Amino acid sequence: QQQVKQSPQSLIVQKGGISIINCAYENTAFDYFPWYQQFPGKGPALLIAIRPDVSEKKEGRFTISFNKSAKQFSLHIMDSQPGDSATYFCAASIRAGANNLFFGTGTRLTVIP
Amino acid sequence: NAGVTQTPKFQVLKTGQSMTLQCAQDMNHEYMSWYRQDPGMGLRLIHYSVGAGITDQGEVPNGYNVSRSTTEDFPLRLLSAAPSQTSVYFCASSPGQGLGNYGYTFGSGTRLTVV
Repeated sequence: QQQVKQSPQSLIVQKGGISIINCAYENTAFDYFPWYQQFPGKGPALLIAIRPDVSEKKEGRFTISFNKSAKQFSLHIMDSQPGDSATYFCAASIRAGANNLFFGTGTRLTVIP
Repeated sequence: NAGVTQTPKFQVLKTGQSMTLQCAQDMNHEYMSWYRQDPGMGLRLIHYSVGAGITDQGEVPNGYNVSRSTTEDFPLRLLSAAPSQTSVYFCASSPGQGLGNYGYTFGSGTRLTVV
């Protein structure tokens, strides 16, 4: 069963708009929530990550919002650009031990000029 | 700095054949993992290692074998290839907990087709 549920499956946004991708989890032991960006033919690359002791983390145009009580977190991409067109994966892990990642099913983002 | 290097990039196997996917990292990372990526399913963990000589199973280990004799290398062996193993395989490494950095670095993948 999918430990991290991600939506939407695909997203089309106009240049300059806001892209929002949502994820939800059930395992309350998860304590590290990264987002990965993947371009065609490449491996996933770490974009931004958050721990559950904060509700928001911002890096440039990318922001993670985290709602611990609802067990949900989301990625917001402000001022979306065509170069942001990629597949985005949310993930969750437990830092103690091997910190193995459980991934969502991915969101294919297309930013149209 | 090469990061995580995977070879080969592409491979076609016949059902029943065996092969080894190679993974090497030059960052002195303690943790290494293998994932498979299938359409609509995200990435799923096959096997992982928290240090040389230590390996364990992930979510989908059946049909795969691993070993870790050095810090740098973490090969994945397909024992008897099946069409269900057609996938894109990614190797990843992480410094481990001691440095407070939990981010995994991924290789560029091996696209495997089993016919």
